[in-house]
Amino acid sequence: SSELTQDPSVSVALGQTVRITCQGDSLRSYYASWYQQKPGQAPVLVIYGKNNRPSGIPDRFSGSSSGNTASLTITGAQAEDEADYYCNSRDSSGNHVVFGGGTKLTVL
Amino acid sequence: EVQLLESGGGLVQPGGSLRLSCAASGFTFSSYAMSWVRQAPGKGLEWVSGFSDSGGSTYYADSVKGRFTISRDNSKNTLYLQMNSLRAEDTAVYYCARDLGSVTTYYFDYWGQGTLVTVSS
Repeated sequence: SSELTQDPSVSVALGQTVRITCQGDSLRSYYASWYQQKPGQAPVLVIYGKNNRPSGIPDRFSGSSSGNTASLTITGAQAEDEADYYCNSRDSSGNHVVFGGGTKLTVL
Repeated sequence: EVQLLESGGGLVQPGGSLRLSCAASGFTFSSYAMSWVRQAPGKGLEWVSGFSDSGGSTYYADSVKGRFTISRDNSKNTLYLQMNSLRAEDTAVYYCARDLGSVTTYYFDYWGQGTLVTVSS
């Protein structure tokens, strides 16, 4: 079982703001990273560290953290943001890597 | 441009072996840690194994420890995953990914397109 917990699904109206959360004890020590995965494609890194976006990722994606919970926020969701989103970090021991179970985002 | 290209996937019987390769280009391969991440059909991502950029340290998920071996050949810019004693539950797309991390964060900034491993009789 995953040490990071995500809601299985979330929906958002086009142009509205949505927050996807990730919970786990390791997040008290490590920032979560976030990945977007569309059907049939490899995951793409969208947020890493405190709140950093790789080149090419729109600024409507942002990250935050509080206690054992990390959040990915999409401000003004677009149709192309519909995808699965995964969080990851090191586990509590620091020796392994864990992923959340993933959140399927639907843009209505 | 960073590129990661996996190969070696296919159909194998339970108990069999397979070796995956990941050819890297566009960056100084020896300077980066690398990992294998898999995704079973219709399921989420699972980290499988990692290899440090220096010192030769290797790490494995409990689900594959003792059966899988990660290695790298920096002269060939290639990462490998030797998979032995394969089980049906190892069926997945296997991705090669470049690791970056620090004291406070850990992430994969580049991923290959994946190679499918199917374990079935």
